[in-house]
Amino acid sequence: DAGVIQSPRHEVTEMGQEVTLRCKPISGHNSLFWYRQTMMRGLELLIYFNNNVPIDDSGMPEDRFSAKMPNASFSTLKIQPSEPRDSAVYFCASSRDSVKDTQYFGPGTRLTVL
Amino acid sequence: DQQVKQNSPSLSVQEGRISILNCDYTNSMFDYFLWYKKYPAEGPTFLISISSIKDKNEDGRFTVFLNKSAKHLSLHIVPSQPGDSAVYFCAASSTSGTYKYIFGTGTRLKVLA
Repeated sequence: DAGVIQSPRHEVTEMGQEVTLRCKPISGHNSLFWYRQTMMRGLELLIYFNNNVPIDDSGMPEDRFSAKMPNASFSTLKIQPSEPRDSAVYFCASSRDSVKDTQYFGPGTRLTVL
Repeated sequence: DQQVKQNSPSLSVQEGRISILNCDYTNSMFDYFLWYKKYPAEGPTFLISISSIKDKNEDGRFTVFLNKSAKHLSLHIVPSQPGDSAVYFCAASSTSGTYKYIFGTGTRLKVLA
């Protein structure tokens, strides 16, 4: 069974540009999570969806960040406009039923904003 | 405000010896704890968990100990192997709350052959 798929694996962009990160959760999983990893703060939860509905977006840093889940097999995290401080590794994870279940992580997208 | 702290950014251990990774938390509502392991260029993978009703959980070479009064947990790896070299993240959640995982900043373990 394929794991969580993320694209792109690496993204380099210039300040002010729009960035879109993509995620395909494990088939059959109903919950999806977006995390950001930085050296200073470790892994931070940005937002999570259950059955395609955003349940908690309290971790989204500011209005420049938005996330969507149009169907059970696809989610996007968009940053517009991007800033150098957004440089980090962004992980998508999914779990079978809810936030109570073990989360399986994708390989991450390393974002560099120049 | 870091609710989950891993105060040792790195740790080196000889192959065959015990590795002990530590984690402290501040929120007394946390009652479920996990360890994830992360290799370079890969996502974190679940390793082991423990509920607050227990003080120890063992899975092969990996054992997690929980000291609720001290708000401290530790991961023991015995014996350590070179393949255990990775970054280990501690996470905590509250089963009576939102269940969100709060992760620490990670400890990089290097097992020397």
